[in-house]
Amino acid sequence: DVQMTQSPSLLSASVGDRVTINCKASQNINKYLNWCQQKLGEAPKLLIYNTNNLQTGIPSRFCGSGSGTDFTLTISSLQPEDFGTYFCFQHNSWPLTFGSGTKLEIK
Amino acid sequence: QVQLQQSGAELAKPGSSVKISCKASGYTFTAYDISWITQTTGQGLDYIGYINTGSGGTYYNEKFKGKATLTVDKSSSTAFMQLSSLTPEDTAVYYCARRVNGGDYWGQGVMVTVSS
Repeated sequence: DVQMTQSPSLLSASVGDRVTINCKASQNINKYLNWCQQKLGEAPKLLIYNTNNLQTGIPSRFCGSGSGTDFTLTISSLQPEDFGTYFCFQHNSWPLTFGSGTKLEIK
Repeated sequence: QVQLQQSGAELAKPGSSVKISCKASGYTFTAYDISWITQTTGQGLDYIGYINTGSGGTYYNEKFKGKATLTVDKSSSTAFMQLSSLTPEDTAVYYCARRVNGGDYWGQGVMVTVSS
């Protein structure tokens, strides 16, 4: 299985900050890397699919980049509603595999 | 709008089975597969498999063969997952997700607790 290494596991930031979260795949996954946001008790929400495509309804402050094995999620100006947990997952190889998550907290 | 509404929390005894549901709305159910994913505090997220909602064909992660059984009821636009021979290690939140671009819409999750 493709191993997904996500960093950092915990991130403290302030409203208005620019933040980045990284995911590294153990092998080439081409462009098939997605990012989701998860809040306690809610359905995970897809933010970015296939590296850099913004899911419908997601604000443009969310941006994805990368290729091959290294990928980044950037939030350009953090808003209060952005706090929660973020995870990446790859859907290039069977089975889908997930990063361990990044908890984004208010500083 | 697309929604996946999952059934409520389950408390089960070791050795028993549970069947959880995922009711889809807001789109043509049989147009897209449904995936199932598990999340535990210790192991994180793990992919169980998916079902072709049109044909009923199923595809399982090797780890979950024999543990999970996926089915659908097209008449009610509902996907089901039965978990059998439960052990405390099966205690987790179980999500369904529409299998578009890897997983575009997710259910809210079902907490399954296995305890005697």
